[in-house]
Amino acid sequence: DQQVKQNSPSLSVQEGRISILNCDYTNSMFDYFLWYKKYPAEGPTFLISISSIKDKNEDGRFTVFLNKSAKHLSLHIVPSQPGDSAVYFCAATRYNTDKLIFGTGTRLQVFP
Amino acid sequence: DTAVSQTPKYLVTQMGNDKSIKCEQNLGHDTMYWYKQDSKKFLKIMFSYNNKELIINETVPNRFSPKSPDKAHLNLHINSLELGDSAVYFCASSQGGRNTEAFFGQGTRLTVV
Repeated sequence: DQQVKQNSPSLSVQEGRISILNCDYTNSMFDYFLWYKKYPAEGPTFLISISSIKDKNEDGRFTVFLNKSAKHLSLHIVPSQPGDSAVYFCAATRYNTDKLIFGTGTRLQVFP
Repeated sequence: DTAVSQTPKYLVTQMGNDKSIKCEQNLGHDTMYWYKQDSKKFLKIMFSYNNKELIINETVPNRFSPKSPDKAHLNLHINSLELGDSAVYFCASSQGGRNTEAFFGQGTRLTVV
């Protein structure tokens, strides 16, 4: 039972353009969402998060959008850079728990 | 000056052996975790400890036994290793409580042959 889903296993974007990574969840109890970035042979690193009381959070080139009614969130990267090439994991958690539920990841490749 | 470090990075061992993976964090966090990433790339929590106390045990076989000698360390001991235990194991830590992001170690790739 995969509660957090990333249906696109891979995405290829040209440098300078926008990258949009999508994530869907099924558990309406989730109230906090995070994006992690992972390079090969390294652990995931935190990128950006959003609380369910918001619908947008921005940090530099990275913006996360949350649509609670659709149980959908997305990560926008603009402009995309070659160093953004990595696997991106969406994660969700809920109040009074201390564990993250991860999606299966989307591999982003940014080409020149 | 690694925040969350785990050793070894690679571990190849035979079925039936017992092995341990060590994890240390220097962030002063109260909560530590073990996550497992299997061959299908699913990243799932196994255990979490808060101040040396077990908080989460996600129906992991009892061949897996975490040990937390202090809040900066959370080691994972695995008995009677099986082929299906082959995976990448990630240690992580966070300040704990609600809505705090976890910091991950580099992972230990365990291969059981």
